[in-house]
Amino acid sequence: EAQVTQNPRYLITVTGKKLTVTCSQNMNHEYMSWYRQDPGLGLRQIYYSMNVEVTDKGDVPEGYKVSRKEKRNFPLILESPSPNQTSLYFCASSLGGEYTEAFFGQGTRLTVV
Amino acid sequence: ILNVEQSPQSLHVQEGDSTNFTCSFPSSNFYALHWYRWETAKSPEALFVMTLNGDEKKKGRISATLNTKEGYSYLYIKGSQPEDSATYLCAFPDNNAGNMLTFGGGTRLMVKP
Repeated sequence: EAQVTQNPRYLITVTGKKLTVTCSQNMNHEYMSWYRQDPGLGLRQIYYSMNVEVTDKGDVPEGYKVSRKEKRNFPLILESPSPNQTSLYFCASSLGGEYTEAFFGQGTRLTVV
Repeated sequence: ILNVEQSPQSLHVQEGDSTNFTCSFPSSNFYALHWYRWETAKSPEALFVMTLNGDEKKKGRISATLNTKEGYSYLYIKGSQPEDSATYLCAFPDNNAGNMLTFGGGTRLMVKP
């Protein structure tokens, strides 16, 4: 089954404790991206990757890191989480290009206390 | 950051009502406009990718139209059902960011039985 898998689905952590949210897709998609969703603000892009070892900042990259060492995986790293990073996070992948739809993971609800 | 706006932010309708909402986007450098449906506790899923001015797409009771010259798209739902309750998102590929998607804030539709 074609899918984008995120883990964990839910996470409560403390300020400053490094964490990684994993994202994996099995569709051989070139493009992968991370979004955060906050009430009233819609989905905002954090980082995106157009291919292995190619990553770039989205609209709200501060406080986040990503890596793309393999085509299927695109982890999101919070080196020192802060409460303002409490949010719902989605990973997405697509074949690439403006005409191709994005496929989303199940979401990760992160709470930083 | 591209300006993609949706209205209204939320909408309450009765079962059986037909409804529509709007997405406005930059009319210059247009390539495509995406619509996604996002049910609570699930992942956003693609409804339509629209590319041509005057395009109209349909999926069951849901249809969408596109006006690229004036920069807007309408999503219509005919005879709303409670299962149509969801947030409807439009997204515009950003040519300056690898065609990654910039999302509008969404329209949250609630259909009362």
